[in-house]
Amino acid sequence: NAGVTQTPKFQVLKTGQSMTLQCAQDMNHEYMSWYRQDPGMGLRLIHYSVGAGITDQGEVPNGYNVSRSTTEDFPLRLLSAAPSQTSVYFCASSPVLAGAYNEQFFGPGTRLTVL
Amino acid sequence: GEDVEQSLFLSVREGDSSVINCTYTDSSSTYLYWYKQEPGAGLQLLTYIFSNMDMKQDQRLTVLLNKKDKHLSLRIADTQTGDSAIYFCAESISNFGNEKLTFGTGTRLTIIP
Repeated sequence: NAGVTQTPKFQVLKTGQSMTLQCAQDMNHEYMSWYRQDPGMGLRLIHYSVGAGITDQGEVPNGYNVSRSTTEDFPLRLLSAAPSQTSVYFCASSPVLAGAYNEQFFGPGTRLTVL
Repeated sequence: GEDVEQSLFLSVREGDSSVINCTYTDSSSTYLYWYKQEPGAGLQLLTYIFSNMDMKQDQRLTVLLNKKDKHLSLRIADTQTGDSAIYFCAESISNFGNEKLTFGTGTRLTIIP
């Protein structure tokens, strides 16, 4: 299993440009999520999905869109990039096991710089 | 609301024990986790504890949970250079079948030779 993969690893954008960060997992996990990591702020949840066709907002959703057309893929779209979106973005997936702990499996991250 | 706090930095001599502390605010947490992030990588689950336990030991790792004070700690015995990383605590809360995970700010552990 490849686990959780993310592309690209690095990206530089100009203010106002749009782009899509790709995330895929091959573990048949129902739950997928996107986080951003900023110094001194830990990980903050952007959007998440509990299954194909179902998405919801996390803590910091503004400026980002997601869709979940398949179980495997969960792309994150930046509609009009802003310097405040400079961050490291992590995609994660986990099974949904009621009443049990759910380990989240993280991708290697995408480092995004917006000029 | 949920808030998870940690100190940002910790330095420990090689061979000593490291203790990383975390406080959380939501008393309805079901599981509490410790994740490890090595440089340039994503987070990996290190260990977890169910909210009705007060201690869990796994080889060099000891997790202590004080529910009354909402305090979680991770002790790493005989700290090695390979333990250098950022350690995140996280609390999970189940809400209508969905689990919400809230991460702390992370503690950067530096090992002094």
